[in-house]
Amino acid sequence: NAGVTQTPKFRVLKTGQSMTLLCAQDMNHEYMYWYRQDPGMGLRLIHYSVGEGTTAKGEVPDGYNVSRLKKQNFLLGLESAAPSQTSVYFCASSSLDRYGYTFGSGTRLTVV
Amino acid sequence: GIQVEQSPPDLILQEGANSTLRCNFSDSVNNLQWFHQNPWGQLINLFYIPSGTKQNGRLSATTVATERYSLLYISSSQTTDSGVYFCAVTRGGADGLTFGKGTHLIIQP
Repeated sequence: NAGVTQTPKFRVLKTGQSMTLLCAQDMNHEYMYWYRQDPGMGLRLIHYSVGEGTTAKGEVPDGYNVSRLKKQNFLLGLESAAPSQTSVYFCASSSLDRYGYTFGSGTRLTVV
Repeated sequence: GIQVEQSPPDLILQEGANSTLRCNFSDSVNNLQWFHQNPWGQLINLFYIPSGTKQNGRLSATTVATERYSLLYISSSQTTDSGVYFCAVTRGGADGLTFGKGTHLIIQP
């Protein structure tokens, strides 16, 4: 039982490049989330999904897009990366009751 | 949106000491959770505690929903308790958790 798996773990991008972060969960959770964590800050919600085929904006959605074509996967895309998007990105999932959240191990992204 | 404030921001203790971490939130919530982020960055869910008191080994938590605060107690601290402790809340619906900025705890041997 792997829980929540994020790929890649590290990535360096040049300004203007695009990339996709993949999150996969094997717990049959309905809800999935993408957060970013910056130094001295807590986690901030980028986008979330309440089920397959649905997505919604969180606190800091600008510059990101997401898709949830399959229940177990939640993709985060950066169409044109900017240095301000340098951060650690965490994916999480939860069941309908949202008693417990499971986080992935994070993706450290640097945009130069 | 809802505001979450944690205190203290930093705490340095000797092994064996006890500590209390506080979380204040600005509005009523139906979900409050405590997380530990270890030095390697992994986030571990400690408690789901929108109200009442829970205990798990050396850790316990209390939430007083009517007064909009929660406390996390760590007793007999060990070096493995080091890391950042986050409080996170949500008011309801399907939206994600709102996190505080965390308390950075260092336990010295």
